[in-house]
Amino acid sequence: AQSVTQLGSHVSVSEGALVLLRCNYSSSVPPYLFWYVQYPNQGLQLLLKYTTGATLVKGINGFEAEFKKSETSFHLTKPSAHMSDAAEYFCAVSDPNAGKSTFGDGTTLTVKP
Amino acid sequence: KAGVTQTPRYLIKTRGQQVTLSCSPISGHRSVSWYQQTPGQGLQFLFEYFSETQRNKGNFPGRFSGRQFSNSRSEMNVSTLELGDSALYLCASSPDPGGHRWGYTFGSGTRLTVV
Repeated sequence: AQSVTQLGSHVSVSEGALVLLRCNYSSSVPPYLFWYVQYPNQGLQLLLKYTTGATLVKGINGFEAEFKKSETSFHLTKPSAHMSDAAEYFCAVSDPNAGKSTFGDGTTLTVKP
Repeated sequence: KAGVTQTPRYLIKTRGQQVTLSCSPISGHRSVSWYQQTPGQGLQFLFEYFSETQRNKGNFPGRFSGRQFSNSRSEMNVSTLELGDSALYLCASSPDPGGHRWGYTFGSGTRLTVV
């Protein structure tokens, strides 16, 4: 069975500071991993995905994530936070056998001016 | 390219009633998945349809059901509503089964409140 753990339900950074949102996964098969962002009163939007190939993946809005198999991690980073990055972020692992994605509990990012 | 459309956006129902939610996926996407989002339980998988067939179902009671039509539009139905069914119901479409390779495109959700 797949599972995802997001460390820290709330993260606060200053505008212009590094954003680091942590995600660890458990998977019985080679994982396909995703990060999504959710703004208030909206659905989730795909930020980036790792399927196969390059372990450093770049997404929209300047975000990137690195797949580290040895650490079972897929942390999300952005070099410089912007006020518009304030939202809830979800890490997910896809299970081809169950035909679904399993989501973490989410991390709320606050950006201070 | 139109996104995933969910209707209605908001619903208020009384305990014991039933409700039907609708989802129109992105054109060409044959997979539609439904998730329930609540503050306490997070995102929980309800079911997934691909080419009109339910491929997978989550751990929800039989009061929760769905279907998919030949044009890939999907509906979910909840009968005998309970207070605990209050949630944001999200529809997600994908070109591949379960969004495994490409991920999901989500709709804005239907906010269901049961009173």
